[in-house]
Amino acid sequence: DQQVKQNSPSLSVQEGRISILNCDYTNSMFDYFLWYKKYPAEGPTFLISISSIKDKNEDGRFTVFLNKSAKHLSLHIVPSQPGDSAVYFCAASATDSNYQLIWGAGTKLIIKP
Amino acid sequence: NAGVMQNPRHLVRRRGQEARLRCSPMKGHSHVYWYRQLPEEGLKFMVYLQKENIIDESGMPKERFSAEFPKEGPSILRIQQVVRGDSAAYFCASSSGTGDQPQHFGDGTRLSIL
Repeated sequence: DQQVKQNSPSLSVQEGRISILNCDYTNSMFDYFLWYKKYPAEGPTFLISISSIKDKNEDGRFTVFLNKSAKHLSLHIVPSQPGDSAVYFCAASATDSNYQLIWGAGTKLIIKP
Repeated sequence: NAGVMQNPRHLVRRRGQEARLRCSPMKGHSHVYWYRQLPEEGLKFMVYLQKENIIDESGMPKERFSAEFPKEGPSILRIQQVVRGDSAAYFCASSSGTGDQPQHFGDGTRLSIL
């Protein structure tokens, strides 16, 4: 049972345009959501997070939107840069599950010059 | 570099041997998590530890796997009598607390079983 789903295995975006990565979840107990970026042979790097009491969080070029009623979150990157090419993981945690992170399968983002 | 340090980066073992994976959390972090990643999949939670205590090991196989986080020294993930299916990347993360505190990850240990 996949509690966190990233339905797009890959996404190709032109440099300078907006990249939108999507994530859906099924467990209504999740109250904290995170996005990580991962390069091959490296560990995930934390990008941005959002608590369930908010619907938007912004940090530089990265914005995360949370729609609790739809159990959906998205990561917007604008403008997209070549260095953004990586695999992006959505993760979620719940207070009553000791904050263990439940991960999506990842979306490979390719930024085209 | 005050990041999460994992060693070794690569570990090769023959079936039946033991594997020991080490993780030193970020300075000031007392919460350690271990995750496993199989090819083309997301990470899967294994165990959550605080100093000298296992808080949640619900994701860890009941046999052959154990973890510890002693008062002094790194956290250790130990796999006894390894089998081919144990081949994976094992990641350690640490955080300064629970709640709205992101986990920060090491670069992982790639375990290969011959």
